[in-house]
Amino acid sequence: DADVTQTPRNRITKTGKRIMLECSQTKGHDRMYWYRQDPGLGLQLIYYSFDVKDINKGEISDGYSVSRQAQAKFSLSLESAIPNQTALYFCATSDPGQPDGNEQFFGPGTRLTVL
Amino acid sequence: AQSVTQLDSQVPVFEEAPVELRCNYSSSVPPYLFWYVQYPNQGLQLLLKYLSGSTLVKGINGFEAEFKKSETSFHLTKPSAHMSDAAEYFCAVSDYGGSQGNLIFGKGTKLSVKP
Repeated sequence: DADVTQTPRNRITKTGKRIMLECSQTKGHDRMYWYRQDPGLGLQLIYYSFDVKDINKGEISDGYSVSRQAQAKFSLSLESAIPNQTALYFCATSDPGQPDGNEQFFGPGTRLTVL
Repeated sequence: AQSVTQLDSQVPVFEEAPVELRCNYSSSVPPYLFWYVQYPNQGLQLLLKYLSGSTLVKGINGFEAEFKKSETSFHLTKPSAHMSDAAEYFCAVSDYGGSQGNLIFGKGTKLSVKP
């Protein structure tokens, strides 16, 4: 079974709809991340969480919100989706307790299309 | 502030030809450096990492990278490309010293392999 899972894998929605993307991990890591990937732009950090009570904005947090329901679960919400939020979204985890604590482990991604 | 520049957005090579994907970084602290690979329709997978010690780092699938502090570079190489190496490759640097930072990703390089 995959260590980092994301649901749904694909989603098509309409402008103005509220969307939630979910991420679960079985790695026992404290840190979790949400990124979006657009062609030619690489990965941009949306939000990250160091633990259940510590949530931080990344470089492109406008239009997004997150919830860390438990150590293993980190959800990303688009309160009112717009077409330029069409992208591939990735969840990742890391364990800062390790010497290579920066290493991040990625989920398979969610492809979101906003019409 | 830390940053990463991947100098080529696309690199085409012939099968069995050598591969070099270039990455330059900027860091105010001793860098932790990573290369990730993304195969089509998949998440990112760690290829190799440099934390300290030997400047030549070997990774999976025959790839290696050399940390050159004087050139602020961390180029990824492979002596002989396989068709299965076709993917997008991302260089990343920690945005803070040690294992406590987040990762800053380059914009990616798409490697295509021609028969």
